[in-house]
Amino acid sequence: EIVLTQSPATLSVSPGERATLSCRTSQSVNSNLAWYQQTPGQAPRLLIYGSSSRATGVPARFSGSGSGTEFTLTISSLQSEDFAVYSCQQYNNWPLTFGGGTKVEIK
Amino acid sequence: QVQLAESGGGVVQPGRSLRLSCAASGFAFRNTAMHWVRQAPGKGLEWVAVVSYDGSDQIYADSVKGRFTISRDNSKNVLYLEINNLKSEDTAVYYCARGRQRDYFDLWGQGTLVTVSS
Repeated sequence: EIVLTQSPATLSVSPGERATLSCRTSQSVNSNLAWYQQTPGQAPRLLIYGSSSRATGVPARFSGSGSGTEFTLTISSLQSEDFAVYSCQQYNNWPLTFGGGTKVEIK
Repeated sequence: QVQLAESGGGVVQPGRSLRLSCAASGFAFRNTAMHWVRQAPGKGLEWVAVVSYDGSDQIYADSVKGRFTISRDNSKNVLYLEINNLKSEDTAVYYCARGRQRDYFDLWGQGTLVTVSS
């Protein structure tokens, strides 16, 4: 099973600032990595797939990068609605696995 | 409207069984692999199982293999998850999700809560 490690566990950021989230996989997943956003009590929402492709309707301030074992999600200028938990997921190998999440909170 | 809607959750005693349903609408359900993903209270997401577009193939997480059965009825646009011999560690919100390409999830239901407690 591929293990995904997200860092940091919590990121405190002021509105308007840039946030950089990391996801590391225990073995290569090529570019088969997705990012999701989840707010309390809500279902996850797909943000990024294929490491860097934005899903339909996702604002351009969200960008993804990386391949192999190191991936990054960047939010260029945090808006109030962006404070949430972000999870990465690999779909290169079975079983599909998720990282533990990074909570982005208001500083 | 493109959506998924789960039902069937509730409070269940350990050892009992439960069947969750997920009604799909607004898209070609019969052409799409479908998944169940769960989230224990305060924890991260855990993929549970997938069924192929025609129901002929299923893959399960090791943690549920032998107790969970995923299936679908393409004539009714419904996905199912049968859970047997429920354990306390099965307590979670269960989401159904539409799979894309090599199986990331581009559409999620609102989730249904399963609580295993005596």
